[in-house]
Amino acid sequence: SYELTQPPSASVSPGQTATITCSGDALANQYAYWYQQKAGQAPVLIIFKNRERPSGIPERFSGSNSGTTVTLTISGVQAEDEADYYCQSADSSNTVVFGGGTKLTVL
Amino acid sequence: EVQLVESGGGLVKPGGSLRLSCAASGFTFSTHSMNWVRQAPGKGLEWVSSINSGSYFIYYADSLKGRFTISRDNARNSLFLQMNSLRVEDTAVYYCARDSPVAPNAFDIWGQGTMVTVSS
Repeated sequence: SYELTQPPSASVSPGQTATITCSGDALANQYAYWYQQKAGQAPVLIIFKNRERPSGIPERFSGSNSGTTVTLTISGVQAEDEADYYCQSADSSNTVVFGGGTKLTVL
Repeated sequence: EVQLVESGGGLVKPGGSLRLSCAASGFTFSTHSMNWVRQAPGKGLEWVSSINSGSYFIYYADSLKGRFTISRDNARNSLFLQMNSLRVEDTAVYYCARDSPVAPNAFDIWGQGTMVTVSS
């Protein structure tokens, strides 16, 4: 199995830009996905295939990738964006892995 | 409305068994791969198992070591997780999640979760 590494926490002021990274060897060849989980709620898919956004997800959420690192960017952060964010991928044998999660605090 | 509703959680003693169910509605269940994901209290998400639409391909997290069995009944639009030899460390909220039709291994619909507590 493999691992995906995220910073445990991040903080940003309202209106600023938040960036959350996720690194892992498998990301060089596999897609990454991002989920937002607010307190007491189920996760929500916000980015798929590294950079695609599901319908209904605000444009301020974007994804990118380079080598073995993928990045979630939240532009113009709002108070409602305070949540835990998880990256996820799957290896060639369909084993799914989640990153440890990043708690985003909006100051 | 597309919906997943889990049930079957509860309190069980170490070494006991539990069977979780997930009822799907609002979409064609039989055409989607499905998954179980768990989250221990205050911890991150952990993938448990996946099953494809026809139950031909089934995958488990290595850490489960054969204690859990995933299955589905497409006629009843239901997903199941049989959990045996439960341990204290299996205590978690268990979510069922649907594979996205446009991105395999992306989980686009989640249930609200069912709590499993393993304690003596």
